[in-house]
Amino acid sequence: LAKTTQPISMDSYEGQEVNITCSHNNIATNDYITWYQQFPSQGPRFIIQGYKTKVTNEVASLFIPADRKSSTLSLPRVSLSDTAVYYCLVGDGGSGGSYIPTFGRGTSLIVHP
Amino acid sequence: EPEVTQTPSHQVTQMGQEVILRCVPISNHLYFYWYRQILGQKVEFLVSFYNNEISEKSEIFDDQFSVERPDGSNFTLKIRSTKLEDSAMYFCASSEDAGSGYGYTFGSGTRLTVV
Repeated sequence: LAKTTQPISMDSYEGQEVNITCSHNNIATNDYITWYQQFPSQGPRFIIQGYKTKVTNEVASLFIPADRKSSTLSLPRVSLSDTAVYYCLVGDGGSGGSYIPTFGRGTSLIVHP
Repeated sequence: EPEVTQTPSHQVTQMGQEVILRCVPISNHLYFYWYRQILGQKVEFLVSFYNNEISEKSEIFDDQFSVERPDGSNFTLKIRSTKLEDSAMYFCASSEDAGSGYGYTFGSGTRLTVV
């Protein structure tokens, strides 16, 4: 399983764009990059997934450079309700295997008024 | 949006008692999981379940733990003899397939307090 490294915490203000970068230097060819969000006392919630280049949905964008050794989750115009822990996960089911999402410490994002 | 439902939301039990945590996964999902999160710590994988059997389990999932899908809709986690260190949030998750991490849906959790 590829190890991921992301900042422990970040602070931002309402209306700003927030970019959280995750390093995954030993990502394997078949691995996908998935980001989850967790609010206090709730289960993680899937935000976005990508394999390469850029992926955008209604919540966030995910930028993946050509070497795939890092990825950046971009949250446009954050609000107070985006205060949460954000997890970067890397992995794949593999041939005949099953993928078990494995969570690290994540990045605790605090959005200030 | 389909949800994974967990009951109860909070359970207090005495040390040594058995508890059963219940989950209703999303109806067309085939893979089921239990995770736990001790206060202030990481979300930790316990067990995955597919086709009516355990497919993977972590070292945390010892003989005190068991899982069952008793009736085709519920998915339960039983802790046979609770210890103080079992106090945690327990999350159930389900997914349609088991590859890549896409589309895993977690429930809101059961907060287990062992006293």
